[in-house]
Formats: sequence, structure tokens, C-alpha cells
Amino acid sequence: EIVLTQSPATLSLSPGESATLSCRASQSVTTELTWHQQKPGQAPRLLIHNASFRATGIPARFSASGSGTDFILTISRLEPEDFAVYYCQQRSKWPRTFGQGTKVEIK
Amino acid sequence: QVQLQESGPGLVKPSETLSLSCTVSGGSISGYYWSWIRQPAGKGLEWIGRIHFSGYTIYNPSVEGRITVSLDTSTNQFSLKLTSMTAADTAIYYCARETNYDWDYWGQGTLVTVSS
Repeated sequence: EIVLTQSPATLSLSPGESATLSCRASQSVTTELTWHQQKPGQAPRLLIHNASFRATGIPARFSASGSGTDFILTISRLEPEDFAVYYCQQRSKWPRTFGQGTKVEIK
Repeated sequence: QVQLQESGPGLVKPSETLSLSCTVSGGSISGYYWSWIRQPAGKGLEWIGRIHFSGYTIYNPSVEGRITVSLDTSTNQFSLKLTSMTAADTAIYYCARETNYDWDYWGQGTLVTVSS
């Protein structure tokens, strides 16, 4: 199965700063890469699909890029509600797999 | 607004079978794929199975042989059965709708604990 490795595990930042999260796949997933956000006690929420397309209702401060094996999620000007865990997930091959997550915490 | 709601027992004994249902409201179950995803406490996410409204299923090899996902269009529900439960199956179980843009709607999740 495709292994997704996210880095860093934890990102400590202040509101207003920018966050850069990385996701690396063990083999090419082309652009079949999704980002989800999960807050404590909540289900994950779809942020980005097809590597770089924001889902409905997602603010423009969330942007993403990448293809093949290397992907980036950028959150510019962190808002208090952005502190959460972010998971990348591939839908290129079965089984669908997730990265282990990056926690963006308040510094 | 589409909503998904999981239901089922919160406690299952080792070796027994877990049965969960997901009720879809605010939209039809037809025309979409429906998945089960689980998350052990404090850990990451694992997709375990998916069903198309036509009945076609695909499962994660990690649970294949123990899992059955089924669907009832008349009640707008889909279900998960997982046999031979062990402590390793203790997790929050989510149901989710899949479109071309991946899982766009999720249930709130239900905690299932395997313990005697």
C-alpha cells in the first residue's frame, strides 16, 4: 500500500503566521491527493482535493500544491480556528491511505 | 444539507461481531459511494471499506475477510459488519460520503470499545 509521510509532526505557530505542511508519498499518486482538517472531538473536514483545489466553503488562505510524490499545504495568516490536525490522504490506489497527521498548535 | 449519523453499540466483546449503521438524511443514498473510516483514540485515520449505491464493495486488506458493508436504498442507510473483533478494533468509526472530490460529508463518529 502507499505510505504517506507527513512532516513535521507538530508545528507551533502564532495566529497571523503562515504554516507549511508537507506530505510525501512512497510512490506516485499523480494529483490524487486530498487534505483533511480535524479538530478535537470532530470528524475530519475536506479541505483540498486533487492536490490543489479547495473544497466548497474553504477560505482562500488555504492553498496546496504538488504532484507525484511531494505535496505541500500552506495556510497563510493562521486564524484561531485553523489550529488543528491536518491529514493528507491518497486516492490513487487501493487501499486509500492517510498520513499520520501534522498538528498545528498555538505557540 | 446532507447529514450522516452512525448508530450501534458502543461496547463489543472480543470475538463478537460489530454492527453499525449510518443513516443519511438531507439527500439520497443513490448516486454516491459510501465509506467507513476508523480512528483509534489519539491516532490516525484508516479507511476500511466502501460501497457504491449499486452494491459494489471494496475493502481494506487489513480487515478483508472480516468486513461486510451493505446498503439499503429504501431506508437511506448503509451498514458495517466486522467480525471477530479484538482490542485492536477499538476506535471511533466514521461513515462518510464520497464524491469525485473525495469524502465531503462525514458522520460525527461513534466510539466502539472492544472489551469483555
